Amino acid sequence: DAGVTQSPTHLIKTRGQQVTLRCSPKSGHDTVSWYQQALGQGPQFIFQYYEEEERQRGNFPDRFSGHQFPNYSSELNVNALLLGDSALYLCASSLWLDEQFFGPGTRLTVL
Amino acid sequence: SQQGEEDPQALSIQEGENATMNCSYKTSINNLQWYRQNSGRGLVHLILIRSNEREKHSGRLRVTLDTSKKSSSLLITASRAADTASYFCATVTAIGNTPLVFGKGTRLSVIA
Repeated sequence: DAGVTQSPTHLIKTRGQQVTLRCSPKSGHDTVSWYQQALGQGPQFIFQYYEEEERQRGNFPDRFSGHQFPNYSSELNVNALLLGDSALYLCASSLWLDEQFFGPGTRLTVL
Repeated sequence: SQQGEEDPQALSIQEGENATMNCSYKTSINNLQWYRQNSGRGLVHLILIRSNEREKHSGRLRVTLDTSKKSSSLLITASRAADTASYFCATVTAIGNTPLVFGKGTRLSVIA
């Protein structure tokens, strides 16, 4: 049984560009949460998807948007990239608010 | 602001010694979870303790929770070099069951 998978592993973009990150949840999980982790910090909650709807959102601007598909996989989109968006983006899946299982993350560098 | 704050920020011990990390939080919780992260990679779930529990064990890990002091501790016994990692506590708050809120972590170095 594959755990949570994320793609791509690494990504380099320039300021102003747009990026899409992808996440496939652990088998049997229906909820996907996204987190941003800056260097030396703990992960910060971006938003959570359940039944293809955004259920909860952290303190992130509208430039951050997402989507959940019928197969429970999810995408995180960031528009108009800023240097400060450089971070490790983590996806976690769960059965609603039960234990969350994290993927390996996508390292985004904005130049 | 972050809900959980780990203490100390960094800890260096010899292999075989015990490591204790503490976590304090601000609001009432549904549960508290500890995670390990190696070198900026994904987080590995270690243990979950619910608000009505006081202590849990898992292998070499022992977690305590004191809801009156809004604090938790993670004890790793007989540490190994492979335990070198960052350790985070994360809470699920009682009100609204909001998703995980992480602290800044404790960086543990176990020297062989």
